[in-house]
This record gives sequence, structure tokens and C-alpha cells, in this order.
Amino acid sequence: GAVVSQHPSRVICKSGTSVKIECRSLDFQATTMFWYRQFPKKSLMLMATSNEGSKATYEQGVEKDKFLINHASLTLSTLTVTSAHPEDSSFYICSARVSGTGRGTLHFGNGTRLTVT
Amino acid sequence: AQSVTQLDSHVSVSEGTPVLLRCNYSSSYSPSLFWYVQHPNKGLQLLLKYTSAATLVKGINGFEAEFKKSETSFHLTKPSAHMSDAAEYFCVVSEEAGGSYIPTFGRGTSLIVHP
Repeated sequence: GAVVSQHPSRVICKSGTSVKIECRSLDFQATTMFWYRQFPKKSLMLMATSNEGSKATYEQGVEKDKFLINHASLTLSTLTVTSAHPEDSSFYICSARVSGTGRGTLHFGNGTRLTVT
Repeated sequence: AQSVTQLDSHVSVSEGTPVLLRCNYSSSYSPSLFWYVQHPNKGLQLLLKYTSAATLVKGINGFEAEFKKSETSFHLTKPSAHMSDAAEYFCVVSEEAGGSYIPTFGRGTSLIVHP
């Protein structure tokens, strides 16, 4: 149980275009989802916390207008990288917490490798 | 405030020998502790977790970890390494804040397994 599906797994886009990444909880409801960015050989950097039906909470230094997060339902959160630039190339990972249980156990998607050319 | 320190950025072992990945934490309250594994270009998979029950926790793939409050440690061990264990391992501490559990990640330990 507690499967998180993230799509696409890889995307290549041109500079200036926008890319949407989807994160779905397949067999549970997730009131809270997290979006991370991971640089090569580095740990995960929390970008934002996404709560269903409300605005996302962004970490310091993360541009909310560039990284748009929408959590419209209990099973879907999306991250849109707007006007992408080569420096946005990275590995993006979402995670979700099973509502009300698990004392903080996070379940992760398989990540999205974004390459901006 | 909480923090987690993974003491080794790289650990290198031979196949068939024991594995020890070290993790120390600090937490103001009773924390939950987790170990996750990440294979290249993949998300993170939960190996095991401690949430205030038994202090010796058994996980998947033969891994286990022991919560030692006196030493504020949660080291990950496995008796015999397999080649497939080569991956990045993250120790995570999570404590409750306002009804939510906020996770803090260690920097990761890269496990290298030699044939």
C-alpha cells in the first residue's frame, strides 16, 4: 500500500517553456504532499509543502511564481516549472504522508529528471 | 528544533561483509526516525522506521536499526552486504509540530559494495 506515482519520469524542454509534473497518491488520501529538489550527490532540498485545498507553503529562497504548486484534490498535487531555464535542470521528487497515521512516514514518487536545453 | 547527522558521506564494503551506516539525531521531543534508500535516478524507498515501539527495528532486505536514546543514535546495519545494496541511504528525523510531522533529512551516505 501507500504508493505514490510521479509523472513524467523524464522530461526535456526548451528554455522559456513550462513543464508540469504530477504527483498522485494511488491508494490513499494525502492531505499533505511535499516537493523536493535534489542536486547531484546531494540530499533532498524541501521546496514547498502542499496542502489540499489551500496555498502551498514555500521554503525560503524558493520562488513561488516560478514553481507553481497546486493541490486540488486529496490524491493529486502538481508542480509547474514556469519559464524554465537551464539552471532549473534537476531531479524533482514528491512525497506524501498518509493522513492521520504513520507518525510522519513519507512515501515517495520515483522522481522526475528535468533537463532544460 | 531537530537535526540529523550522517557521520559518513561514503561507506565502502566487500560483498558478504557487514554494513554499518551511522546516524545521530537531536530532537526536542520524542522523534520518529526513518531510514530510506535511493537507487540512481529513483525516488526514496522506506527501509524501516522507529515510532516509539520496539527499539530494535527490522526492515526490508535484511536491514535493521537500533534506537539508542542515551546515545541519540539510530545506526543502520546489515549482516551481509549484497551488490544490490549499493545505493544512497538517508536518515530522517521527524517530530510533531502543531499536529504535523516535519521531516529533516541527513545529507546521505553512499554505500559502495565491492565484489
